[in-house]
Amino acid sequence: DVKVTQSSRYLVKRTGEKVFLECVQDMDHENMFWYRQDPGLGLRLIYFSYDVKMKEKGDIPEGYSVSREKKERFSLILESASTNQTSMYLCASKGASGRATDTQYFGPGTRLTVL
Amino acid sequence: SQKIEQNSEALNIQEGKTATLTCNYTNYSPAYLQWYRQDPGRGPVFLLLIRENEKEKRKERLKVTFDTTLKQSLFHITASQPADSATYLCALHSGGYQKVTFGIGTKLQVIP
Repeated sequence: DVKVTQSSRYLVKRTGEKVFLECVQDMDHENMFWYRQDPGLGLRLIYFSYDVKMKEKGDIPEGYSVSREKKERFSLILESASTNQTSMYLCASKGASGRATDTQYFGPGTRLTVL
Repeated sequence: SQKIEQNSEALNIQEGKTATLTCNYTNYSPAYLQWYRQDPGRGPVFLLLIRENEKEKRKERLKVTFDTTLKQSLFHITASQPADSATYLCALHSGGYQKVTFGIGTKLQVIP
């Protein structure tokens, strides 16, 4: 059974703190994604990675950075957390195009609150 | 600009009836379209994928249609059950590039 795990379900941080969110997938997928989800705005793509050490900006990359040192792990970093980064963060992974499935598999999400 | 529209209003339906959810898009030429289910506090779960050259796809009680002329997809759940209550998201992929764009979702409530 496919699995995407995220390091925390709930996280509370203070303004200005550096925050690390980690995501691990066990499907040997090339592509990994970080989204945030907010009421009325839906899922918005922050960053994605199509290979180890490769990354591309999504729609809302400001205030975030990412790291992909190993194929199975994709980290989202908030260099200096702000209250407007309070949100649900979702990680997903997907195989390369042309494989049997083009679907994204999501982790359970991390609800981050920045005070 | 590119836009995906799903009914942001909740859809309430009686158990046993067919639920129909709509996904409209503008300024896209999607290679394929997907539907996901999301329960509160959980990540979305993939349900169905339909490609641009397919008109209809079925899986058990689920049916998806894709009309590239109308720029619309309809998602049907037949014989709906209270366990079908969730938010349903449509997502478009333009092909080649890995990015998928999601709609905001429609909340379905099936009333016993």
